[in-house]
Amino acid sequence: DSGVTQTPKHLITATGQRVTLRCSPRSGDLSVYWYQQSLDQGLQFLIQYYNGEERAKGNILERFSAQQFPDLHSELNLSSLELGDSALYFCASSVVPTLLVDEQFFGPGTRLTVL
Amino acid sequence: GQQLNQSPQSMFIQEGEDVSMNCTSSSIFNTWLWYKQDPGEGPVLLIALYKAGELTSNGRLTAQFGITRKDSFLNISASIPSDVGIYFCAGQGGEISYNTDKLIFGTGTRLQVFP
Repeated sequence: DSGVTQTPKHLITATGQRVTLRCSPRSGDLSVYWYQQSLDQGLQFLIQYYNGEERAKGNILERFSAQQFPDLHSELNLSSLELGDSALYFCASSVVPTLLVDEQFFGPGTRLTVL
Repeated sequence: GQQLNQSPQSMFIQEGEDVSMNCTSSSIFNTWLWYKQDPGEGPVLLIALYKAGELTSNGRLTAQFGITRKDSFLNISASIPSDVGIYFCAGQGGEISYNTDKLIFGTGTRLQVFP
């Protein structure tokens, strides 16, 4: 158990819908990362937040957005869902001082299926 | 999306055998990480490497940070059935993710261990 929690574990929805994935980082971790893992693309970095502010953006679509709240939990919003959005979405967290790197601890993931 | 080249893609070995896998990049990284992912779970950090040339062990696992900072390898000695899973390398910092903490993941090595 990494200490990172994600809900829900599974999500099945239809094309065109909108969903919200939730992540609670490890106690004390200020930084949250979102990743998408699909069969054909492997594990891809989407976006990072540090202490409530967006810090880095990766391959995140414009239909997707995220935020980190004052209590440090984070939500990833996926809208106008397409079949190709079906994937495992992972959240990771770390204690990240500015410009220094640290290990990221991964949550169990949310499996999204778009029908 | 960006990915590191990891080889081999799959390995099928007998219990007790040693395993070696590596990861290469066209760009340098400041940190190399190795993760193991079990089916339906998030990646779990195995080893983190912070200096070029560094050799680090974690039980039966040994990993090295290449001197050029563009590669890393992971060895597993005396494999056991619970070593089954997908192993990912990841690079952090350096030329691709300068000034951010995002991880660039390898394509993964799927390990199967037969008793």
